[in-house]
Amino acid sequence: AQSVTQLGSHVSVSEGALVLLRCNYSSSVPPYLFWYVQYPNQGLQLLLKYTTGATLVKGINGFEAEFKKSETSFHLTKPSAHMSDAAEYFCAVRTGGGNKLTFGTGTQLKVEL
Amino acid sequence: SAVISQKPSRDICQRGTSLTIQCQVDSQVTMMFWYRQQPGQSLTLIATANQGSEATYESGFVIDKFPISRPNLTFSTLTVSNLSPEDSSIYLCSVEYSSGGPFEQYFGPGTRLTVT
Repeated sequence: AQSVTQLGSHVSVSEGALVLLRCNYSSSVPPYLFWYVQYPNQGLQLLLKYTTGATLVKGINGFEAEFKKSETSFHLTKPSAHMSDAAEYFCAVRTGGGNKLTFGTGTQLKVEL
Repeated sequence: SAVISQKPSRDICQRGTSLTIQCQVDSQVTMMFWYRQQPGQSLTLIATANQGSEATYESGFVIDKFPISRPNLTFSTLTVSNLSPEDSSIYLCSVEYSSGGPFEQYFGPGTRLTVT
């Protein structure tokens, strides 16, 4: 069975600082990995995904993530936080042969002046 | 990408009643999914709905409580029956869609249900 662990349910950064949101996964087969963002009172928006190929993937709004198989990680980063980045972020895993997504518990990102 | 709308966006219902949530997609899609997001928690898959077949429910979810319809390739409904306060959640519809590459899941804006 696959699972996702997001370390830190709440992360607070200063505006302009590095954003690092951690995600580790467990999967017995090569995974597809996703990061979604949920703004208050909205649905989920796909930020970026890893399926195959280049392990560093770039997404929308300046976010990127690196798939590290040896560490079973897919951490999300952004060099410089903006106030508009305040939201909840979910990491999700899907095994290649299936279509079900398994979500982590989410990380609430707070950006302070 | 696929654009998904849900109705209603929110509702307040009395216990013992039912709420039917509609999900409309702007493209034909084979697979649609229904998720529940309880307050302060992550998303849990309720069921997968393919057009022309019975929905497949995840462990802990049953058809009597969460009947689903999928009459065509752009529409689905989820009914939450015999409501109790524990059903207060956000319910999200999602679809699996490909624009040429691997399939991705796109989500609707959600329906916020409060049961009193």
